[in-house]
Amino acid sequence: DIVLTQTPLSLSVTPGQPASISCKSSQSLLHSNGKAYLYWYLQKPGQSPQVLIYEVSNRFSGVPDRFSGSGSGTDFTLKISRVEAEDVGVYYCMQGIQLPLTFGGGTKVEIK
Amino acid sequence: QVQLQESGPGLVKPSDTLSLTCAVSGYSISSDNWWGWIRQPPGKGLEWIGYIYYSGSTYYNPSLQSRVTMSVDTSKNQFSLKLRSVTAVDTAVYYCARGEYCTTTRCLFDPWGQGTLVTVSS
Repeated sequence: DIVLTQTPLSLSVTPGQPASISCKSSQSLLHSNGKAYLYWYLQKPGQSPQVLIYEVSNRFSGVPDRFSGSGSGTDFTLKISRVEAEDVGVYYCMQGIQLPLTFGGGTKVEIK
Repeated sequence: QVQLQESGPGLVKPSDTLSLTCAVSGYSISSDNWWGWIRQPPGKGLEWIGYIYYSGSTYYNPSLQSRVTMSVDTSKNQFSLKLRSVTAVDTAVYYCARGEYCTTTRCLFDPWGQGTLVTVSS
């Protein structure tokens, strides 16, 4: 199985400041079609996960443009340009290059 | 607007079968989508269980494959999960979700149901 390692485990951010989360994969997530299949989900407190980013850098419908994804191969990053109070929760990366689908352990983001 | 709602017993005895149903509203389950199950043990991360197409094609997590069966009931616009021979480690919040852009190796899940806690205990 592909192991996704997220860092940091938790992050405390002042509103308006940027935040960055890393997701490192035990194997390359690059498909032969040239795309990498790495997704980002956010689980807000008491809610179900919701998708933020698909295929490394594509924002899902309705996701604010302060969220951006980047990376290639085995190293990926989710960035929030200016954290808002509504961004608190646990962020998970997920890989889609090989079954079983696997998730990272999560990064908890809180507001200072 | 598509909505998913899980239902089923909140308490299951060890060695019994966990059975959950996901009712889909505002969207036809026979549309070109897959339908997935994901679980989350209390205080822990997410684990993919599997996904099913309305025609019955399935992909399961190999770690659970010997105990899992998924099915679709198009007449009721719902799909189901059965997990046999459960133990305490199967205690988790179980989520159902609609799968988009799914293939043999990937699936984007949106939206998710609210989740239902299933506890395995005697």
